[in-house]
Amino acid sequence: QKEVEQNSGPLSVPEGAIASLNCTYSDRGSQSFFWYRQYSGKSPELIMFIYSNGDKEDGRFTAQLNKASQYVSLLIRDSQPSDSATYLCAVLQGAQKLVFGQGTRLTINP
Amino acid sequence: DAGVIQSPRHEVTEMGQEVTLRCKPISGHNSLFWYRQTMMRGLELLIYFNNNVPIDDSGMPEDRFSAKMPNASFSTLKIQPSEPRDSAVYFCASSRMAGGLSGANVLTFGAGSRLTVL
Repeated sequence: QKEVEQNSGPLSVPEGAIASLNCTYSDRGSQSFFWYRQYSGKSPELIMFIYSNGDKEDGRFTAQLNKASQYVSLLIRDSQPSDSATYLCAVLQGAQKLVFGQGTRLTINP
Repeated sequence: DAGVIQSPRHEVTEMGQEVTLRCKPISGHNSLFWYRQTMMRGLELLIYFNNNVPIDDSGMPEDRFSAKMPNASFSTLKIQPSEPRDSAVYFCASSRMAGGLSGANVLTFGAGSRLTVL
């Protein structure tokens, strides 16, 4: 079982719709969770992090965490073509070791 | 702030040659991470340093790989001898070291070094 699992996609969403990205993790002791966005040929950049159960909102982005189910998700409202990228879920193991999933490739269709 | 600076951006070499990748972290960040990204394996942590000291090198694939951080503003990742399976994008990232539940473990990535070993 992989430590962090994501559906590789591609996930295709029409412009203006909600994109939903999912991630599961295996280490029940994990406490902090991160979503990074990576455009083709570029480096990952942080979107947001979450460490409490429930929802955390930042603009059009909402991260959701359910530790009992070991599940993290990212919702993107009012999707724009500029949101087309690969989204990486990352889980903090121990104090500093950030383990990444394979990423989900998202395409927003105008 | 110039961000995390990596060099070279692209490197093409032949099997058996030595490769040295370089990284300058963000000033004030005391943790530095080396990651490798391939299509097959995704983004893998190779090694990380706190205050210039290697903390976890369990991700280093084999003895051909070595990393050093002689001071707070410079790190190298060396591959000797290189092999075609080492072809990947190598990212350096830095952060402020912090414990507990906080966003201080946020990594800032450099632009990456794309290595091709023929």
